[in-house]
Amino acid sequence: GENVEQHPSTLSVQEGDSAVIKCTYSDSASNYFPWYKQELGKGPQLIIDIRSNVGEKKDQRIAVTLNKTAKHFSLHITETQPEDSAVYFCAARSNSGTYKYIFGTGTRLKVLA
Amino acid sequence: GAGVSQSPSNKVTEKGKDVELRCDPISGHTALYWYRQSLGQGLEFLIYFQGNSAPDKSGLPSDRFSAERTGGSVSTLTIQRTQQEDSAVYLCASSLQDGTYEQYFGPGTRLTVT
Repeated sequence: GENVEQHPSTLSVQEGDSAVIKCTYSDSASNYFPWYKQELGKGPQLIIDIRSNVGEKKDQRIAVTLNKTAKHFSLHITETQPEDSAVYFCAARSNSGTYKYIFGTGTRLKVLA
Repeated sequence: GAGVSQSPSNKVTEKGKDVELRCDPISGHTALYWYRQSLGQGLEFLIYFQGNSAPDKSGLPSDRFSAERTGGSVSTLTIQRTQQEDSAVYLCASSLQDGTYEQYFGPGTRLTVT
């Protein structure tokens, strides 16, 4: 069945450094790849997304890259700040008849001041 | 404006009892999703509604789980004869149309089965 693998499960970086989280998906029909940030006690919040016709997208300190051939997509956070500490989830969605999202298992990011 | 709301925020129930979890989507959002998040885990898809119909209920773990949506708005997830493994956070999300737009998540309902 469909699967999304996410690595690493935990990541600690010094404030100001960059953080990279990687995901791999299995369903070649996936065409939409959102990233969510989840803070303690809250629901996930979309921070950036990318569609399959684009290779890279950037929004200030956050960027996402997509390699459709390898079925990889990655989240890049530059100049990390303590408030970036949270759990980050990647997801993949197919448009082949159902709009089900498959989520990765999450990455707990800690930014050390 | 108002976001997705869920109630109750916390629910403690005894094994074997039935529970109902409620989701109020953003007004005008026709797509609604239910997910389950176990401690330290990712989001597990349960069911997707488009309007009042559920084109995809493939994620419901057993026939003890059911969901309905009335009037194209509020949705209720019902778990019958709860088991301890049902303990998790149940998240609801809505989007403007048929899953082609950003999902907005509610804060979740934390269910604990004792």
